[in-house]
Amino acid sequence: KQEVTQIPAALSVPEGENLVLNCSFTDSAIYNLQWFRQDPGKGLTSLLLIQSSQREQTSGRLNASLDKSSGRSTLYIAASQPGDSATYLCAVLQTGANNLFFGTGTRLTVIP
Amino acid sequence: DVKVTQSSRYLVKRTGEKVFLECVQDMDHENMFWYRQDPGLGLRLIYFSYDVKMKEKGDIPEGYSVSREKKERFSLILESASTNQTSMYLCASSPGGSLYEQYFGPGTRLTVT
Repeated sequence: KQEVTQIPAALSVPEGENLVLNCSFTDSAIYNLQWFRQDPGKGLTSLLLIQSSQREQTSGRLNASLDKSSGRSTLYIAASQPGDSATYLCAVLQTGANNLFFGTGTRLTVIP
Repeated sequence: DVKVTQSSRYLVKRTGEKVFLECVQDMDHENMFWYRQDPGLGLRLIYFSYDVKMKEKGDIPEGYSVSREKKERFSLILESASTNQTSMYLCASSPGGSLYEQYFGPGTRLTVT
């Protein structure tokens, strides 16, 4: 069964710093990988989706990469801001399945 | 923009009650999903539906059932609520096929006392 891991579980950085969040998965047979943001007590907001044939996707200050063969993805956040403080979740869509497998998230705090 | 709405943001029910959680999406998506989210366990899939009246069990279907009578609406039913079903429940939808993003609703925080 697919297992998705996110390390670290929590991260604090000063405002303006560039940072990288990590996601690893055990089974490389995936259709896509999706990064989400979740604010406390709220639902999930989709940030980026990378298809299995792609290496990276960019949106504004966010850049997500995918290395399927090694079972890894990273989310790069440039010039972090206090408004970026949230929990970031990655999820993979397994080949042959319709549901996502989620990591437990990285809680990011950006200190002003 | 895709919009997924859930009937309640917060709900408090008593043990043994029958509970209905409603989810509606406005983008004509084929697929709809119910997850629960618990600290340390992440999101786990309860049920999903890929068409009207069709449903598939997810990882943790025990104690739950679902109903999809119309394409835009997917209901999660707790037949007899128990305290271990206290959780955040999240609904999602996606277009047909496997290459598309899932869009999530705001969540329902259910407390069973």
